[in-house]
Amino acid sequence: QLLVQESGPGLVKPLETLSLTCAVSGGSITSSSYQWGWVRQPPGKGLHWIGSISSGGNTYYNPSLKSRVTISVDTSKNRFSLRLSSVTAADTALYYCALIRGTIMFDPWGQGTLVTVSS
Amino acid sequence: SYELTQPLSVSVALRQTARITCGGNNIVSKNVHWYQQKPGQAPVLVVYRNTNRPSGIPERFSGSNSGNTATLTISRVQAGDEADYYCQVWDSSIVVFGGGTRLTVL
Repeated sequence: QLLVQESGPGLVKPLETLSLTCAVSGGSITSSSYQWGWVRQPPGKGLHWIGSISSGGNTYYNPSLKSRVTISVDTSKNRFSLRLSSVTAADTALYYCALIRGTIMFDPWGQGTLVTVSS
Repeated sequence: SYELTQPLSVSVALRQTARITCGGNNIVSKNVHWYQQKPGQAPVLVVYRNTNRPSGIPERFSGSNSGNTATLTISRVQAGDEADYYCQVWDSSIVVFGGGTRLTVL
């Protein structure tokens, strides 16, 4: 059973870069059947897609974040990463990584990691 | 950009049927997925590609998609079904989530 798990700093200063990693277990990140994605959820609010990456390295980003987001894959460590630059308090959220299957459905999700932007 | 519209809240009596809608322009042409999120937990896929249930999801959960509205139906609602529900589609290489619906079981 393929699982994903987020990790990274829980606190980031304003204008710095948020960096998170998602470890993949139970399968290979190089499988051509999958994409890998990031979704965030501000406290008390709904789900907001950040971006995704295919096994071939094609990236898809939310237009509202595109200028600040980079998603990449590290095949040697079977993980993928999120970098979000120039963060502000508005980027404070619970960040989820997920496996994306078939007709672009997210399953499973990681447990999520809370990132707070504050000085 | 494509938008999905969900009611903020739906209330249903125990053991009755809940219907949560997801509106979008010609949504029938898209594959709609539904997620359940209980407090403090990550979302879980409960219906995929409009009408299909992942393994482990009770038969009480079903979906439909027609015209401009997709619907998640939960039959014989239980107290444990109380949660936020989100619809989601893929449109023009962009993932779109609905705003979410809070299901309250009375």
